[in-house]
Amino acid sequence: GENVEQHPSTLSVQEGDSAVIKCTYSDSASNYFPWYKQELGKRPQLIIDIRSNVGEKKDQRIAVTLNKTAKHFSLHITETQPEDSAVYFCAASGGSNYKLTFGKGTLLTVNP
Amino acid sequence: DTGVSQDPRHKITKRGQNVTFRCDPISEHNRLYWYRQTLGQGPEFLTYFQNEAQLEKSRLLSDRFSAERPKGSFSTLEIQRTEQGDSAMYLCASSLIEGYTFGSGTRLTVV
Repeated sequence: GENVEQHPSTLSVQEGDSAVIKCTYSDSASNYFPWYKQELGKRPQLIIDIRSNVGEKKDQRIAVTLNKTAKHFSLHITETQPEDSAVYFCAASGGSNYKLTFGKGTLLTVNP
Repeated sequence: DTGVSQDPRHKITKRGQNVTFRCDPISEHNRLYWYRQTLGQGPEFLTYFQNEAQLEKSRLLSDRFSAERPKGSFSTLEIQRTEQGDSAMYLCASSLIEGYTFGSGTRLTVV
C-alpha cells in the first residue's frame, strides 16, 4: 500500500518568514495530493490540493509543488502569521475511491 | 447544513462495552469516510461508503468494528467489546469526489 513520509515533524519560524514542509510518497499510481491544517482540538481542514497533471498550485500565501518523477511534494507558506500555527498533514491518494494516506504531520509554530 | 456533524463529541466507556458513533455528512455528498486518529499521528483510513454501499474496509477494521450507511445518508460506526487500544479520535469525512470535509470527530476513551 501507499506510504507517505513527512518532514520535518516540528518547524518553528519567525512571523513573516517562509515555511516549507516536504512529503514523499511510495505509490507511483497516486494522483491526488491534499494538504490539511489541524488546529489543536479541531477538525482537519483542507487548505490546498494538487493533482498529478499539475506541477504547482498557488492560493494567496500558500503554494504546493509536485515532482512526480521524484515522488515528492511540498507545501510553501510565505509571510507566515501567528494564526498559521497548527499541525499540517500531507496526504496522497490514487484510484477512484479517494482513500487518503496521511503523513504523520508537522507542528508549525510561528513566533510573533 | 453547515458541515459534517458527529455525535457524540466525547465518549468514555469501560473496556468490553459496545459503543456506537454517528456521522451526518453534508447532504449532497455521496461519499463518506471513517478515519481514526491517535495522538501525534495522521488520520488512518478505516472504511469508505459510496451512497449506501461500503466499498472498502481497512485491515485496521477488525471484526469488532462495523459500519453502516443506511439509505446513503447518515452513517454509524460500532465498536464491540472495546479495548484500550481503541482509544482514539474517530473522524468522519464526506465529499462529492475529492476534497473531503471532516467532522469534528468523536473522541473515544476506553478505561
